[in-house]
Amino acid sequence: DTEVTQTPKHLVMGMTNKKSLKCEQHMGHRAMYWYKQKAKKPPELMFVYSYEKLSINESVPSRFSPECPNSSLLNLHLHALQPEDSALYLCASSQTGLSYEQYFGPGTRLTVT
Amino acid sequence: AQSVAQPEDQVNVAEGNPLTVKCTYSVSGNPYLFWYVQYPNRGLQFLLKYITGDNLVKGSYGFEAEFNKSQTSFHLKKPSALVSDSALYFCAVRVVYGNKLVFGAGTILRVKS
Repeated sequence: DTEVTQTPKHLVMGMTNKKSLKCEQHMGHRAMYWYKQKAKKPPELMFVYSYEKLSINESVPSRFSPECPNSSLLNLHLHALQPEDSALYLCASSQTGLSYEQYFGPGTRLTVT
Repeated sequence: AQSVAQPEDQVNVAEGNPLTVKCTYSVSGNPYLFWYVQYPNRGLQFLLKYITGDNLVKGSYGFEAEFNKSQTSFHLKKPSALVSDSALYFCAVRVVYGNKLVFGAGTILRVKS
């Protein structure tokens, strides 16, 4: 099974709402990632978890809060977002090590109104 | 710093003709190079990677890539294009320090029947 699942597929939220994005993988990967992608642009790395610990935060605003409850799950908690945060949010996972490819989920299309 | 460049925003090719999507890289040390494809409103799908060894790498869906160290290139190729190959293609390099992928800007491939 090489599948990364993400829920929900679509999310519309107001600027005062609190919501969460969820990601799950059962490939035994110990590295998990959150990316933000604007239309027809490359994904921008937000966070990296390695062995359930946050290892990289790419200077992401605090209105985005990641969480890794266990080795299979990754959450992204959203609060007080801005309209410019509207994007496709992608989760990925991989084995740790330079030679391993990342497997991406289908993404959550987020619209902030 | 590790980086990749995709010099073409868009590549147009007729169905049945060979296709090439270009990528050049700049790395210190040995490069770990990847190609991904993204269909509309979907996540990225891994196509192939170069880690070491044979300069011609074969991947999914009939794609292959040629690693050229002297030209610092890693071009994606397919002998006979299909309309269904039309998508957005990203070249990426693994950053040596940190669990990160650095993506190129992406190339839109349009295959016309």
